[in-house]
Parts: sequence; structure tokens; C-alpha cells
Amino acid sequence: SQTIHQWPATLVQPVGSPLSLECTVEGTSNPNLYWYRQAAGRGLQLLFYSVGIGQISSEVPQNLSASRPQDRQFILSSKKLLLSDSSFYLCAWSVDPNTGELFFGEGSRLTVL
Amino acid sequence: DAKTTQPTSMDCAEGRAANLPCNHSTISGNEYVYWYRQIHSQGPQYIIHGLKNNETNEMASLIITEDRKSSTLILPHATLRDTAVYYCIVRFYNQGGKLIFGQGTELSVKP
Repeated sequence: SQTIHQWPATLVQPVGSPLSLECTVEGTSNPNLYWYRQAAGRGLQLLFYSVGIGQISSEVPQNLSASRPQDRQFILSSKKLLLSDSSFYLCAWSVDPNTGELFFGEGSRLTVL
Repeated sequence: DAKTTQPTSMDCAEGRAANLPCNHSTISGNEYVYWYRQIHSQGPQYIIHGLKNNETNEMASLIITEDRKSSTLILPHATLRDTAVYYCIVRFYNQGGKLIFGQGTELSVKP
């Protein structure tokens, strides 16, 4: 069966520090991968999606970036965190993009101080 | 993408049916209706989706009106574990899995 792992689950970082959140999918190949952000009490915001290795589409301009170095690995990064980057970050994957059925990880809660 | 409108919150008694409405009056003919839910501090979970016909699976039923301008998600026998935020989403076929989540409905199932 397919599983998605996301880490770290919780992260506290100072302003201006770098960020790296990792996501891996097991049990499938060539998944579509996504990074979402969810601020407290608000809906999800799509940040990046990828349909293949090295292929990244950005939905919202910001100081975050994403990379897909391997087929089942998706990384969310920042060179310098802002206070406004504090949020709940979710990785997701899908096999068939036509169904719109996404499988989400458990999320990473980032607090920037 | 078509916009959706959902009530902010709803209550339901345990064991009763929970009926969650969603308005999507500007939906186009090729857009599907999807429902997800999110339990507090967890990732969202896919529930069901449909285009025109009513759909049913092991989790819920989806009723779409004939004009497709609204839909209702039905949890036939709500349990305390169904307490979550429920999101109604519309999207075109073949959008690479892109989903735009709104504010959703916070369902509280009470004993």
C-alpha cells in the first residue's frame, strides 16, 4: 500500500534561518506531488505542485521554494524565514491527476520566532 | 475555478445523519464536486466526488442537484470521530490534481 511521510512534524525556527521540510511517498511511482500551507483557522493554500522530477510549478509568489530531486521526494525550502511563514505545511500526492483524489501527509507545524 | 459557499459550522447528534450543504452556483458543465474533511491537526482526507449523478461510498453519499448549482454531503450515521472541518471543492477534469480549499464547514458531532 502507498504511504506518505512528512518531517519534521514540528519545527521552531528563528527569523532569518533556513528551512527544509521533506516529504517522501512509498509504494507508488511517478506520483504528482503538492505542498500546501494552512494558516490557523483558514483553508488550505496550494504553494507548489510537481508532475515529475525537476518539474515544479509555483502557485503563490513568496520566499519559499520547492524541489523534487527524486521521483518520490519533495522538499520545501527557504533561505531566510519570515515571521509570516509560521503555518501548518502539508505534503500530498496523487496517482491519477484526473480524479482529484489527493492523499495528504500528517503535516509539519512551523513556528518562526 | 467555481467558488463554493458553505456554512461556517454545524452540529449533529451522534447516530443521526449529518447533511452538509454546499452552493456552487457558478459551476461549469465540466467541473466536478469534491469533498474532503480535516480532523484537527491532521492532513485532509478525501471523501467522495461526483459530476452529475449522486454518488455513494463506504464513507458518505453525495447528492448533486439537477441544475448542479448545489450539493449535499451526507454522513448517514455520524459518530464522534466524524467531528472535522468538511471542504466542498469544485475543479475541472484533468487539472493535475490541483485543488483549491476554501474555509469549509466545521461539523461537531455531539453525544
